[in-house]
Amino acid sequence: LAKTTQPISMDSYEGQEVNITCSHNNIATNDYITWYQQFPSQGPRFIIQGYKTKVTNEVASLFIPADRKSSTLSLPRVSLSDTAVYYCLVGDLRFNAGKSTFGDGTTLTVKP
Amino acid sequence: SQTIHQWPATLVQPVGSPLSLECTVEGTSNPNLYWYRQAAGRGLQLLFYSVGIGQISSEVPQNLSASRPQDRQFILSSKKLLLSDSGFYLCAWSTLDRANTEAFFGQGTRLTVV
Repeated sequence: LAKTTQPISMDSYEGQEVNITCSHNNIATNDYITWYQQFPSQGPRFIIQGYKTKVTNEVASLFIPADRKSSTLSLPRVSLSDTAVYYCLVGDLRFNAGKSTFGDGTTLTVKP
Repeated sequence: SQTIHQWPATLVQPVGSPLSLECTVEGTSNPNLYWYRQAAGRGLQLLFYSVGIGQISSEVPQNLSASRPQDRQFILSSKKLLLSDSGFYLCAWSTLDRANTEAFFGQGTRLTVV
């Protein structure tokens, strides 16, 4: 199993860029890296997914170095509503759910 | 569009009582279905997943069981709840038809065993 490690918590201020890193040294060749956002008492919501290099969508960017042993979620210009827990998932739920691993999550607190 | 329904939202049950949580998905066919548990302040632990009707894979041995009686219905059960079964239970689905590994989660059930 690809064990994932994330910082427990991070603080930021409105308008700043936030980078959250996930370490996954044992990532397998077929594993994807997916990030989810979770608000209290709600299910996680998909943010972004990638396999290698850089992926960007309307809400975030995902940077994955060549060795794929880590990944960084980048949130540009955060707002108060971005306060949530962010999880990285390493694996492929479609074909290998039993070996797909969620990290323990990073609690991001955005301050005014 | 696809939607996932999970109920109830909250549940308080005495130790030793049975449990049945239901999850249904609409707008897709032959989805992969998952049950996760989340302890307070912790990550998501995969309990069961299913790739088809009657096909259940268990990841964590415990007193819980899962069943998939229909293509888009996933049920989590227990015959006798333990205090340690308290937690936030999440149902999710994904499909092989999509180009990525995105999973869609329900709103969760907060189970408190007393």
